[in-house]
Amino acid sequence: AQTVTQSQPEMSVQEAETVTLSCTYDTSENNYYLFWYKQPPSRQMILVIRQEAYKQQNATENRFSVNFQKAAKSFSLKISDSQLGDTAMYFCAFMKDYYGGATNKLIFGTGTLLAVQP
Amino acid sequence: SQTIHQWPATLVQPVGSPLSLECTVEGTSNPNLYWYRQAAGRGLQLLFYSVGIGQISSEVPQNLSASRPQDRQFILSSKKLLLSDSGFYLCAWSEGLAGGTGELFFGEGSRLTVL
Repeated sequence: AQTVTQSQPEMSVQEAETVTLSCTYDTSENNYYLFWYKQPPSRQMILVIRQEAYKQQNATENRFSVNFQKAAKSFSLKISDSQLGDTAMYFCAFMKDYYGGATNKLIFGTGTLLAVQP
Repeated sequence: SQTIHQWPATLVQPVGSPLSLECTVEGTSNPNLYWYRQAAGRGLQLLFYSVGIGQISSEVPQNLSASRPQDRQFILSSKKLLLSDSGFYLCAWSEGLAGGTGELFFGEGSRLTVL
């Protein structure tokens, strides 16, 4: 069975600085997807970034980028130029490759609560 | 554009009472639908998912049940709540056909407190 581990329950960063959130996973699958979701206080959870395991290039979305190390089964999220609005719970998630239908179920880590300090 | 709504947002119920949480999706057809429970320090746990009307798969044995009476409606229920049912429940949807990105779109959540 797949598992996702986030070893940092809480983190803090100063505004405008860079922070990296860690995530490791365990799977015997070769093809899969990895995600980072953001859950701001009292707001809906939204997707931050997505990585396909078969792509060697790390995904980037504006200030958010990942360091995907497939052999090490590591998937960290880097937030550059942190902003107050980045304060949220961040969840790492894993999904097996799928071909439509029922199998696109996500397995989530326990989350990292990030506080951006002014 | 697609939207997802779930209600009620907050619910306080006594032990042994029934439960009904409702989730609806608009702007898409034949979505996959999911119920997750979020507990502090435990991440999100998938409770149920559905690929079509009347088709429900349960991921963990529990006191809860789910139903999908319409294509874009997903209901989480219990006949008799337990204290351990307290938590934050999230409904989500994803594209149901091949070619989707696998991304989940979440509702606003329902916080259930069982006393």
